[in-house]
Amino acid sequence: AQSVSQHNHHVILSEAASLELGCNYSYGGTVNLFWYVQYPGQHLQLLLKYFSGDPLVKGIKGFEAEFIKSKFSFNLRKPSVQWSDTAEYFCAVNDYNTDKLIFGTGTRLQVFP
Amino acid sequence: DTGVSQDPRHKITKRGQNVTFRCDPISEHNRLYWYRQTLGQGPEFLTYFQNEAQLEKSRLLSDRFSAERPKGSFSTLEIQRTEQGDSAMYLCASSDFGGGGAFFGQGTRLTVV
Repeated sequence: AQSVSQHNHHVILSEAASLELGCNYSYGGTVNLFWYVQYPGQHLQLLLKYFSGDPLVKGIKGFEAEFIKSKFSFNLRKPSVQWSDTAEYFCAVNDYNTDKLIFGTGTRLQVFP
Repeated sequence: DTGVSQDPRHKITKRGQNVTFRCDPISEHNRLYWYRQTLGQGPEFLTYFQNEAQLEKSRLLSDRFSAERPKGSFSTLEIQRTEQGDSAMYLCASSDFGGGGAFFGQGTRLTVV
């Protein structure tokens, strides 16, 4: 069965610090990978996605993620975080045929000025 | 706003009552999904429709839950004889065939007292 693991449950950073959030997935077939963000009081928004091709994917707001197939990982990175990046971040893998998403438990990021 | 909309945003109900939620997807999207999210967890898949056909239901979806999508447009999720364990955020999402990831609504927060 598909599963997604996010090992960092709560991350606290100061502004301008670099960010890396871990995501590992378990699935034997072709996968698409996603990072969603949920800002306080708002709905889930797609941050970036990987389907195929270049394993380094760039998303909105300066975020990027790297797909490493051999490690079953899709870690999210940002070189310099801002206070406005405070949010919950969810990694997800989808079933290739249905687009059904399997989410990790999320990582709560707090950025202090 | 042409995103996914859900109604109501909040619902408080007494244990044992029935509740119904509505979701209006992005108009050109033929896939519609229901997820449930509890505190500290990522969204969990409940069920999905392709047009009007309900193609998959999670084992999380007990027989007290029923979902419909008449005419392949809006969808409703009904919970009969609500229990306190049903308290959660119920999320609706939609996507097209392109596998581009799903777009989420704001959710309906259900509290069973």
